[in-house]
Amino acid sequence: SAVISQKPSRDICQRGTSLTIQCQVDSQVTMMFWYRQQPGQSLTLIATANQGSEATYESGFVIDKFPISRPNLTFSTLTVSNMSPEDSSIYLCSVEEGTGANVLTFGAGSRLTVL
Amino acid sequence: SQQGEEDPQALSIQEGENATMNCSYKTSINNLQWYRQNSGRGLVHLILIRSNEREKHSGRLRVTLDTSKKSSSLLITASRAADTASYFCATVNTGTASKLTFGTGTRLQVTL
Repeated sequence: SAVISQKPSRDICQRGTSLTIQCQVDSQVTMMFWYRQQPGQSLTLIATANQGSEATYESGFVIDKFPISRPNLTFSTLTVSNMSPEDSSIYLCSVEEGTGANVLTFGAGSRLTVL
Repeated sequence: SQQGEEDPQALSIQEGENATMNCSYKTSINNLQWYRQNSGRGLVHLILIRSNEREKHSGRLRVTLDTSKKSSSLLITASRAADTASYFCATVNTGTASKLTFGTGTRLQVTL
């Protein structure tokens, strides 16, 4: 299965700043998925990132707040913009295994705390 | 929106006992998957059951699926301290290919 490197693993950020999370995969993948996990909660899909096209955002998430880049088939970034304490979460990138069954492999996550 | 509701929210058992977690969902699915998450880290895929399957085994894991009741259960037999984690069900809903919707999760604590 794919190996995903995600960084930073954790960060403490000030209100109003922005932070970019990087996700590197050791193999080429068509789709990458960005999830948010708020404290003690389940995972919510933010957007799907395809190489060469705009990311597709889920309801409640907008590009201005969570801009995503996907410059090639092995890399993606998610930026959390103009952060507030409500953005304190674990952000996870994931990719499909390619089995056709939508099985996901996840990165270790980026735990952001916004003060 | 959240698809799956899991119960119990938290479960504490002793090593060697069996742990059962349940997941209910709301719409038609292509498959249902279970994932494990250790200490707020990334999730690890455990097992997948397709909509036309009723039961599946993998090592100490047993998954059942009842599409008429829109529910699934995960049984971990002979639990170990290393099984301590949060467990999430996730569904691939019909017509929403490539998108997983995760349940609320069960926090399992296995004590020695």
